[in-house]
Amino acid sequence: DAGITQSPRYKITETGRQVTLMCHQTWSHSYMFWYRQDLGHGLRLIYYSAAADITDKGEVPDGYVVSRSKTENFPLTLESATRSQTSVYFCASSEADTQYFGPGTRLTVL
Amino acid sequence: GIQVEQSPPDLILQEGANSTLRCNFSDSVNNLQWFHQNPWGQLINLFYIPSGTKQNGRLSATTVATERYSLLYISSSQTTDSGVYFCAVEFNDYKLSFGAGTTVTVRA
Repeated sequence: DAGITQSPRYKITETGRQVTLMCHQTWSHSYMFWYRQDLGHGLRLIYYSAAADITDKGEVPDGYVVSRSKTENFPLTLESATRSQTSVYFCASSEADTQYFGPGTRLTVL
Repeated sequence: GIQVEQSPPDLILQEGANSTLRCNFSDSVNNLQWFHQNPWGQLINLFYIPSGTKQNGRLSATTVATERYSLLYISSSQTTDSGVYFCAVEFNDYKLSFGAGTTVTVRA
């Protein structure tokens, strides 16, 4: 049972390129979340999803797009990457009270 | 939005020492969780504790919701306790707002 996985684990891209970060969970949890972690800010919520085809903005959604056509997948797309989007991105899932986090994707935008 | 403040920002401990980490939050919350991020970046949920006290081995946590704070206690610290400890509060629909974290370094 893999739990929650993210791919790629590391990504380097250039300003203006489109990038998609993948998140997959095997628990069939209803809720899924995307956070970014930057020094001095802890984790900040980008987008979340309460179920397939239901998504909503979090604290810092600008520049990001999400979709959730299947319960187990929650991809995050940077439509036109900027240097300020250099960060570590964490996906999480939950069914009730406890959130379980993936291993993270370290994204560098040059 | 809800403000979450953690203190101290950094803590250096000698192996075997005890310590207390604090989390203050600015408004009523549905839920509070403590996480540990290990040196490899993995986030592990330690406690789901909207109120009361819970214990898990050498770790325990207490939340006083009416006074808007939570405490995480580490007893007999070990080098494997090193990392960043985050407090996160849920304000609605399972969305979490995180504090900036306390970085703990345990020296052998």
